[in-house]
Amino acid sequence: GDSVTQMEGPVTLSEEAFLTINCTYTATGYPSLFWYVQYPGEGLQLLLKATKADDKGSNKGFEATYRKETTSFHLEKGSVQVSDSAVYFCALSEGSTGNQFYFGTGTSLTVIP
Amino acid sequence: NAGVTQTPKFQVLKTGQSMTLQCAQDMNHEYMSWYRQDPGMGLRLIHYSVGAGITDQGEVPNGYNVSRSTTEDFPLRLLSAAPSQTSVYFCASMRGGRNSPLHFGNGTRLTVT
Repeated sequence: GDSVTQMEGPVTLSEEAFLTINCTYTATGYPSLFWYVQYPGEGLQLLLKATKADDKGSNKGFEATYRKETTSFHLEKGSVQVSDSAVYFCALSEGSTGNQFYFGTGTSLTVIP
Repeated sequence: NAGVTQTPKFQVLKTGQSMTLQCAQDMNHEYMSWYRQDPGMGLRLIHYSVGAGITDQGEVPNGYNVSRSTTEDFPLRLLSAAPSQTSVYFCASMRGGRNSPLHFGNGTRLTVT
């Protein structure tokens, strides 16, 4: 079945450091890929998405590229800020209804000044 | 633009009590769903609905009931609360279509003692 695997956290970085959160997936078809962010006490918010191979999703300085050959969708940011402290979830969607969404277990990021 | 609204934000129940978690969306989305979020386990799908009058079970449906009488509302009922149902519950909706993202509410933190 479909699944998403994320790097284990927690991750602690100093402000302005480079961020990479690894995500790999297993899918039976040709999924769309998403990154969500969850700030403390809030729900998940869509950060970025990519819908086909070699697509790059980007938002708020974050980027991720859909790599079909390595079944990966790693999240990167060149210079993190304290305000980026949150939990990040990688997800895939196989179908046209939401019951075919699959989430990773989340990676907690703390950025220290 | 309210999006997905969940009430209450916090709830404490005693074992055996029943309650309903409310979820409403104002985006005219056909698809709605309930997840629970537990440490180290990511998000697990409880129940979902692809339209008014249609519901189905997700990965962890036992102990929960749902109904969908309108497009806007999708309440989740706990019939007889158990400590194992202590969790954070998220409602989500989606427009439909392969590339559509899920939109989440801010969650209900439930403690069963």
